[in-house]
Amino acid sequence: AQRVTQPEKLLSVFKGAPVELKCNYSYSGSPELFWYVQYSRQRLQLLLRHISRESIKGFTADLNKGETSFHLKKPFAQEEDSAMYYCALSGTNRGSEKLVFGKGTKLTVNP
Amino acid sequence: NAGVMQNPRHLVRRRGQEARLRCSPMKGHSHVYWYRQLPEEGLKFMVYLQKENIIDESGMPKERFSAEFPKEGPSILRIQQVVRGDSAAYFCASSPVFDWSTDTQYFGPGTRLTVL
Repeated sequence: AQRVTQPEKLLSVFKGAPVELKCNYSYSGSPELFWYVQYSRQRLQLLLRHISRESIKGFTADLNKGETSFHLKKPFAQEEDSAMYYCALSGTNRGSEKLVFGKGTKLTVNP
Repeated sequence: NAGVMQNPRHLVRRRGQEARLRCSPMKGHSHVYWYRQLPEEGLKFMVYLQKENIIDESGMPKERFSAEFPKEGPSILRIQQVVRGDSAAYFCASSPVFDWSTDTQYFGPGTRLTVL
């Protein structure tokens, strides 16, 4: 079964503190993993994806196939990072393009 | 590029009425996806279409729901005889010709359907 689990519904940290948003997945095959972000009153947008290996806005995510995890990390959180974060996966074959989303984690960065 | 457009942004229907949700993909994108988000839930895939073709409808409810993406014009998600459980946010996404290693899905702002 294809499933993405984000165990934390809410996460609150102080500005400058490290932040980690957890994501675990279940997929028969080799999925591509994504983190999408939705800032207040804005549309859902891609933050980063595994294959790019990029750091976006200071965020990184490492795919751990053994633990089937794709946790999102940032060493020093900023107030503007406050948003809803969704972990998602898709297949890497034709016919498996649909995204499977977790329920999301609402991150609040306090001043 | 104006991005993915969806209209209306808010739609109120009474039980038994029909709801039509429209999605205009980004310029140059020929793939459209529809997702539904129920309260307190993540987005759930409904259907994937290319121009004039339904590629994957594995997430569509068997009854009352249909989708199309005609040669000309926007993609339409139609819900017939709406019920209160259809109240949700419906998101459309588009992508270019699909290459999983480079392409991504770009999302519209969503249509919030409320069934009274």
